[in-house]
Formats: sequence, structure tokens, C-alpha cells
Amino acid sequence: AQSVTQPDIHITVSEGASLELRCNYSYGATPYLFWYVQSPGQGLQLLLKYFSGDTLVQGIKGFEAEFKRSQSSFNLRKPSVHWSDAAEYFCAVGRSFYNTDKLIFGTGTRLQVFP
Amino acid sequence: DTGVSQDPRHKITKRGQNVTFRCDPISEHNRLYWYRQTLGQGPEFLTYFQNEAQLEKSRLLSDRFSAERPKGSFSTLEIQRTEQGDSAMYLCASSLWAPGSTDEQYFGPGTRLTVT
Repeated sequence: AQSVTQPDIHITVSEGASLELRCNYSYGATPYLFWYVQSPGQGLQLLLKYFSGDTLVQGIKGFEAEFKRSQSSFNLRKPSVHWSDAAEYFCAVGRSFYNTDKLIFGTGTRLQVFP
Repeated sequence: DTGVSQDPRHKITKRGQNVTFRCDPISEHNRLYWYRQTLGQGPEFLTYFQNEAQLEKSRLLSDRFSAERPKGSFSTLEIQRTEQGDSAMYLCASSLWAPGSTDEQYFGPGTRLTVT
């Protein structure tokens, strides 16, 4: 069965510093991977997705993620964090290629940004 | 495109009462999903519809839970005889799916249920 692991429950960075949030997945075939962000009291907003092609994908708000099949990872990065990036970040995998129907989420990483 | 909307945003109810939540998807989207999110966890899949057909239900969805999408547009999620363990954020999402193409789910703001 598919699963997603986000090893870091909570990360704190200073504004302007770089950021990397880790995501490891377990999936037998080519995964369909997502990163979502959730601000307090809000629903989830899609940051970026990967299903094929270039393993470095660009998303909104200056985020990017790199798919590494050999490491079963899909880490999210941002070169310079802004205070407004403080939120909860979720990595998710679609159940099957070309068919997201059931998304399987990790437990999330809470990002705190210090001025 | 006004996004996915959910109503109510917050619901406080007493144990044993029934509650119903509504989700309005993005208008042209043919798939609609329900997830549940408890504190400190990621969303967990409950069920999804393609048009009016309910295609899958999670084992998390006990007999007290029922979901409908009668005309293939909005959906309702009803919880009967609520229990304290039902307290959670209930998230709705929608997507435009077609065979052979990828889709992505757009989420609503959620309905936070508190059972006292």
C-alpha cells in the first residue's frame, strides 16, 4: 500500500533563510506526487505536483520540489523564506498514475518563521 | 471560478445529534472528494464521487456516515448519532477528471466539527 512519510514534525527557520521539507513515499510504480500548504483554519492549497518528465518541478510562491526515484523522495525547497510562508505543509501521493482519486497524505510539517 | 465552498465552517453539536455538511465544488468539476483531518494529522480519505456515482468509501466511513451527490453538483455528508471521536475538520475537494489525463484536487476551507 502507498504511504507518505514526513520525518520533520516541526521546522523553524529565520526569514530569508533557505528551506527544505522532506517527503518520502512508498509506491510500487511511478508516483503522482503533490505538495499542499495549509494556513491556520484554512483548506489546502496546491503548491506543485509531479507525475512525469523533468524531476525538478516549479510551483507557486517560489517553491520547487525535486523527485528522486532512487531515494523515494520528493523534497520541497525554497531559497528564501518569507514570514508569510509559516503554515503546515503536506506531501501527498495519488493512488495510481493518471488517477488521483484517493490522495494519501503525510502527517505534515509545521513551518515556523522567525523575523 | 469561485473555488470549492463548504457550509457551515464550524459546527458544535452534542453527542448523539445528527449533523449535515454541504460542499459545493468548482462548477465544471466532475469528481468530488471528502476527507477528514484530525489534529496533528494529514487528511484521510473518506469517499469520492464521479458525477452522482459514489465510487469508493473508506473503511473509516462507518454506517453512521452517509454522503450523497444527488445531481452531480453539490454534495452532503451526514453523520448520525455523533460521537466525540467524530470531532475533526471535514474537507471537501473537487477535480476535473478525464480518462488518460491527470487531474488535481482543489480543496475547500473545511467544516470544523466539535462534538461535546
